[in-house]
Amino acid sequence: DTAVSQTPKYLVTQMGNDKSIKCEQNLGHDTMYWYKQDSKKFLKIMFSYNNKELIINETVPNRFSPKSPDKAHLNLHINSLELGDSAVYFCASSQDESDAGWGTQYFGPGTRLLVL
Amino acid sequence: GQQVMQIPQYQHVQEGEDFTTYCNSSTTLSNIQWYKQRPGGHPVFLIQLVKSGEVKKQKRLTFQFGEAKKNSSLHITATQTTDVGTYFCARGGGATNKLIFGTGTLLAVQP
Repeated sequence: DTAVSQTPKYLVTQMGNDKSIKCEQNLGHDTMYWYKQDSKKFLKIMFSYNNKELIINETVPNRFSPKSPDKAHLNLHINSLELGDSAVYFCASSQDESDAGWGTQYFGPGTRLLVL
Repeated sequence: GQQVMQIPQYQHVQEGEDFTTYCNSSTTLSNIQWYKQRPGGHPVFLIQLVKSGEVKKQKRLTFQFGEAKKNSSLHITATQTTDVGTYFCARGGGATNKLIFGTGTLLAVQP
């Protein structure tokens, strides 16, 4: 019973290609996120959706386009991949109020993207 | 700014030694959360602190929120090899549920 799942787990591709990463959560949460973790382990938020509406859009190149078909899914499409896009991309979800606390985030297993 | 700094960046201890990581902010925090990420894994929520001076314990882990709500610490007593990983603090970012993560502390435990 995976709470937050992502596919694929690994993605190796050539520069210039377009790729998508999918995320699904079965926690019933209203908010979902995409994070990028670079080689130095720094976690940076990219996007956040609440009930299918975009609420956070950090300074991310417009080659990155999130899509939320429903509140349980948040996909990330990346156009014209560049070497610097190589990183681990984590999906996460949260609910405003939970037993664990306000805004507690539940992360997916991550997608390791390598651009050659 | 909103940056949350953590020190140290890296700590190597012998099994059984204690470990502490510190999280510092230049602005007052409404709350602070702590996460653990095992090597090759994903961040997992540990705890949230909300009140000034709050102290919470989870077995060998002690979490503290500073009186001025500008810093926090995580202390592990008698480390074990299962404690290996990167520990992140994260500050709340307002009504959007946005979390701003600290720079992380990588803990290595030698058996």
